[in-house]
Formats: sequence, structure tokens, C-alpha cells
Amino acid sequence: EIVLTQSPATLSLSPGEGATLSCRASQPISSAYLCWYQQIPGQAPRLLIYAASTRATGVPARFTGSGSGTDFTLTISSLQPEDFAVYYCQQDYDYPFTFGGGTKVEIK
Amino acid sequence: QVQLVQSGAEVKKPGASVKVACKVSGYTLTELPLHWVRQAPGKGLEWMGGFDPDRDETFYAQKLQGRVTMTEDTTIATAYVELTSLTSEDTAVFYCAVDTLGIGFFDLWGRGTLVTVSS
Repeated sequence: EIVLTQSPATLSLSPGEGATLSCRASQPISSAYLCWYQQIPGQAPRLLIYAASTRATGVPARFTGSGSGTDFTLTISSLQPEDFAVYYCQQDYDYPFTFGGGTKVEIK
Repeated sequence: QVQLVQSGAEVKKPGASVKVACKVSGYTLTELPLHWVRQAPGKGLEWMGGFDPDRDETFYAQKLQGRVTMTEDTTIATAYVELTSLTSEDTAVFYCAVDTLGIGFFDLWGRGTLVTVSS
């Protein structure tokens, strides 16, 4: 099973600041099989980035995904009020599909 | 436009079973990679399993093997997940999720069904 480890667990930032979220895989995976979701409390997850760096439809350009091999990053260039949420990475390189434990981006 | 409509909340006693439904509209169910993900209160996302149309096979999370079954009724375009021998640790929101764009990830999610296991 591919384990995804996200860090940090919590990021406390102010609106307008930038955020960098990390997702590390326990073994190398093709970047085509790594994505990021955003989840606002009480709502279903929303696909943000797929294939490591492709923004899903309607996702603002301030969200950027990057990485390869075992290390992947989600960057939010300037936090907007609606960006304070929990972010998960997920791989479908192999079964079982797995999610990272999540990074909560909270208002400082 | 694809839509996923899930069944309502359930309350079950320990040892019982639960069956959650996900009705699909706007797409042919058998062509959709439909998966189930659950989320315990205050916890992260956990993949339960799903159908892989390329392999024509349903895959399950190992920790749920033997207790989980995913089925479809194509006549009413509805997918189901059934979980047996429930314990309090199964209390969670169950989501159905699909890849409608063929990108390999879940771009559409149901709104979730809360399953509460309590004596």
C-alpha cells in the first residue's frame, strides 16, 4: 500500500499570505496519478489539481501543483477567505487508492 | 450533466448492516468508475473501494475485505455499498465519487450519507 504523508498537519496563516503544502509518497509514483482535493467543513471534497499540476475546471490560478517521484507540493499564492479549508492529496497509481492525512489551513 | 444523489442518514446498532445508495443521472452507470470514500467525524478521507471499468472489476480496501460489498442496479441507475458487522468505528459520512472526465480522479462527489452506529 502506498502511504501518503502530508505536512504540516496545520498551517496558521493570514489572508493574502502564501501557503505551501507537502505530500510525500512512501514509494515513487508517476505524477499522472497524484491529485489534490479541498474540503470545506460540512461539504464533500472538491477536486483542485490532478496529474500533479493540472488545475481542475474553475480552479483559480493561485493554486499550483508541482512535484514528481515521491515529493509533491500544493502552493496557494495569496490566500483568500474561501481558501481556509482542509487539503488532501490522493494517489490512484495502484490499488488500494490512498489519501494523505490532510493539511488544515486555518486563519491566524 | 452528471449528478449523484445519495440516500438519507442511517442509525444502526452494533453488529447490524447498512446499505447506502447513490443514484446516478446524466451518465451510464456501467461506464463510470464509481468509488466509495468514507470520513469518520473529525478525521480524514478513507477509500473504501470502487469499480474499475477498464478491468471490469471491483476493488476493496483490505481492512474492509469480507465486510464490504459494492453493487449496482443498472435498471434504476443506482450504486450501493453495503457494510456488515458494524461497530462504532464505522460511524462516518459515506461518499460516492466518480471520474466523469476520464482523468483518473474523482471530479464529482455525492453530498454524503451519515451512518451512525450506536447502541
